[in-house]
Amino acid sequence: EVQVLESGGGLVQPGGSLRLSCAASGFTFNSYAMSWVRQAPGRGLEWVSAISASGDSTYYADSVRGRFTISRDNSKNTVSLQMKSLRAEDTAVYFCAKVRSGYNSGYDYWGQGTLVTVSS
Amino acid sequence: QTVVTQEPSFSVSPGGTVTLTCGLSSGSVSTSYYPSWYQQTPGQAPRTLIYNTNTRSSGVPDRFSGSILGNKAALTITGAQADDESDYYCMLYMASGPGVFGTGTKVTVL
Repeated sequence: EVQVLESGGGLVQPGGSLRLSCAASGFTFNSYAMSWVRQAPGRGLEWVSAISASGDSTYYADSVRGRFTISRDNSKNTVSLQMKSLRAEDTAVYFCAKVRSGYNSGYDYWGQGTLVTVSS
Repeated sequence: QTVVTQEPSFSVSPGGTVTLTCGLSSGSVSTSYYPSWYQQTPGQAPRTLIYNTNTRSSGVPDRFSGSILGNKAALTITGAQADDESDYYCMLYMASGPGVFGTGTKVTVL
């Protein structure tokens, strides 16, 4: 059974940092790209970042580029999102999602999300 | 910046049919955008319904179908049921990023 589980969310002050983790199981982790998608309170889904299966290629939304860094550890079946210079508008539930095959095939499995609140 | 547009809301009667669309603020949606569709109920993670325009994800009932209608991607729910009341998001594969989500459509079944 495929499982995707996020952790690391919490309350952080504006300008602060936070690191999210996503633990995956039930599939050959090093064969699939992974993504982070977020949803601000009462708002829609927003793609944040993606990383290729090998970790060699990374992608970022304009809203987070230069502040967020995605990485993965294929030996531990985990993907991380390091977030710096956080802003109030980064407040959201952050979902980790498994890419089905290529990026053009969308996502097939999602975690339940972890809440990040940026507030003083 | 191109925006992926969806109707804000739709209402459908139980057993009825509704078609949601997914368009671009500039240009037309084609199969080259590999549209996918996701269903989300409040407080829950999204659930994948359709990928690659019209392929149903595993376990998705056949009352959900995807297509291209004119210059937009479309999700049709045929024979709507009460538990289809959800938010629905399309996602397009674009050069600006591996996935750009639409604005979302809230579907009410009543």
